[in-house]
Amino acid sequence: DQQVKQNSPSLSVQEGRISILNCDYTNSMFDYFLWYKKYPAEGPTFLISISSIKDKNEDGRFTVFLNKSAKHLSLHIVPSQPGDSAVYFCAPRGRGSTLGRLYFGRGTQLTVWP
Amino acid sequence: NAGVTQTPKFRILKIGQSMTLQCTQDMNHNYMYWYRQDPGMGLKLIYYSVGAGITDKGEVPNGYNVSRSTTEDFPLRLELAAPSQTSVYFCASSYSSVPSEQYFGPGTRLTVT
Repeated sequence: DQQVKQNSPSLSVQEGRISILNCDYTNSMFDYFLWYKKYPAEGPTFLISISSIKDKNEDGRFTVFLNKSAKHLSLHIVPSQPGDSAVYFCAPRGRGSTLGRLYFGRGTQLTVWP
Repeated sequence: NAGVTQTPKFRILKIGQSMTLQCTQDMNHNYMYWYRQDPGMGLKLIYYSVGAGITDKGEVPNGYNVSRSTTEDFPLRLELAAPSQTSVYFCASSYSSVPSEQYFGPGTRLTVT
């Protein structure tokens, strides 16, 4: 039972262009939505998050958009750089969780080519 | 600070063998977590701890045991290894329950044959 879906396993983008990574979810009880980035042979690192009460959060080249009615969020990277090549995980948090438990999607492999 | 360290990096086990995956953090974090990532899948929580002496089950605890005798260490024990436990295991820690503050180790790649 997948509560979090990242339907594109891979995305290839030219350097300087926009990368858009998508995430769909089914559980309306998620209160925070996080994106993690993972390089090969390393653990995931936190990238950006958005609260369920907002529809946009921006941090430098990274912007996350949340559409609660569609249960959909997206991560925009502008401009994309070769160093952005990594696996990106969408990871919502359960509402009211004292643990801060996360539910990870399967990830999208982003490749940025020169 | 070394952050979160995990040993070993790689291990091959035979079915029925046991082993302990080590995890140590030097950030004085209260919260520690064990996740597993199966090929092509997201991370799933196995066990977690909110402080020394306190542990609890996550989403997929069967076949594993943990202990937390110190703030720094959170070992994960596999008693009777099964092929279904072939996975990459990540340990993480955080000062609070805020998930954006979770710091992950580099992972242990385990194969059970």
